[in-house]
Amino acid sequence: EVQLVESGGTLVRPGGSLRLSCVASGFPFSTYWMHWVRQAPGKGLMWVSRINGDGRSTLYADSVKGRFTVSRDSAKNTVYLQMSSLGAEDTAVYYCARLFCTSITCYYDHWGQGTLVTVSS
Amino acid sequence: QSVLTQPPSVSAAPGQKVTISCSGSSSNIGNNYVSWYQQLPGAPPKLLIYDNNQRPSGIPDRFSGSKSGTSATLGITGLQTGDEADYYCGTWDSSLSDLWVFGGGTQLTVL
Repeated sequence: EVQLVESGGTLVRPGGSLRLSCVASGFPFSTYWMHWVRQAPGKGLMWVSRINGDGRSTLYADSVKGRFTVSRDSAKNTVYLQMSSLGAEDTAVYYCARLFCTSITCYYDHWGQGTLVTVSS
Repeated sequence: QSVLTQPPSVSAAPGQKVTISCSGSSSNIGNNYVSWYQQLPGAPPKLLIYDNNQRPSGIPDRFSGSKSGTSATLGITGLQTGDEADYYCGTWDSSLSDLWVFGGGTQLTVL
């Protein structure tokens, strides 16, 4: 069974840093691109970042570029999101999601339960 | 402002049918497959439809998807109170360095 379990969300001061983790199980971790998607309170889904299977290719939404860094550790089956210079606008539930791709299509077939990041003084 | 446009809310009575639209452009829906996600209250999103009109195992055939040009539509028939949720469409956008984009979400109320 595919499982994605996020952790690391907490209350952090504006300007602070935080690292989120997502532990994956039940599938060959290194063959899948992994994504982070966030959802501010009462708002919709917003794509944040993605990392390819070997960790050498990453991409970020403009709103987090230069502040967030995604990485992965295949030995631990874990993907990370290092967040810095956090502001109130980063307050959200952060989901880790597995991207399933064929030769012509991709979609998110599994999601974690999410971890809440609250940025407040 | 989401790249994909969905109505903020739709409603219908139990047993009825509802459709949710998702409008985009040639750089996203027009040239890519669309997927739909259901988010029940307090839960993470769940894949509902992929490849425009395919249902994952376990998704009832009351749920359907279609795509025409730069728009996609999610249909739900035989509405149940358990269908009350937020629904999101999503796809790639090649004009944004191949970033993934979501619609703003549609809240379904079963009256």
